[in-house]
Amino acid sequence: GQNIDQPTEMTATEGAIVQINCTYQTSGFNGLFWYQQHAGEAPTFLSYNVLDGLEEKGRFSSFLSRSKGYSYLLLKELQMKDSASYLCAVADSNYQLIWGAGTKLIIKP
Amino acid sequence: GAGVSQTPSNKVTEKGKYVELRCDPISGHTALYWYRQSLGQGPEFLIYFQGTGAADDSGLPNDRFFAVRPEGSVSTLKIQRTERGDSAVYLCASSLWSSGREEGEETQYFGPGTRLLVL
Repeated sequence: GQNIDQPTEMTATEGAIVQINCTYQTSGFNGLFWYQQHAGEAPTFLSYNVLDGLEEKGRFSSFLSRSKGYSYLLLKELQMKDSASYLCAVADSNYQLIWGAGTKLIIKP
Repeated sequence: GAGVSQTPSNKVTEKGKYVELRCDPISGHTALYWYRQSLGQGPEFLIYFQGTGAADDSGLPNDRFFAVRPEGSVSTLKIQRTERGDSAVYLCASSLWSSGREEGEETQYFGPGTRLLVL
């Protein structure tokens, strides 16, 4: 079967760094996506990795290891507005996105 | 430019009624996706269109659900004989292509969703 695993909830402090992990098992791989979703809103695109390594985009970075079926999203200099759910999704051999349940990130002052 | 839009933003209906949910994708995007999402869960795939045709409808839960995209742009998700279990947020997304010809062209951009409540 296909599945995406990520922690249900994480807590971090404003100004700190947090790493949200995602492991996957899918039939084929055509890229891994991270989305941010604030409560009551639609997911918004954050990052896309298709090759191994680290992609940096401002305060957010995403890492991929295809051999390990593993990715992480790194958020630096956390701000209160970063409180949201972070969704990991993998495009399978048919380019269909397989979604994780999301990690709810709580930022405390 | 304009993003994906969905109407209505909220819909309350009674069990057994028929509802239509509309999605207007980003202009020029050939692929359009319908998902539904329950609280605390990731999006659940329903159906996707490449142009006017339904390329994959394997996620539709049963024959009460149907979707169309007659002119390759706007899509309508139709739910017959609604049940309380259909209550969820219905999300629409679009992408330039369904399979990336160039890296990242399959990135999906979401609309704000329609919150459906079946009483």
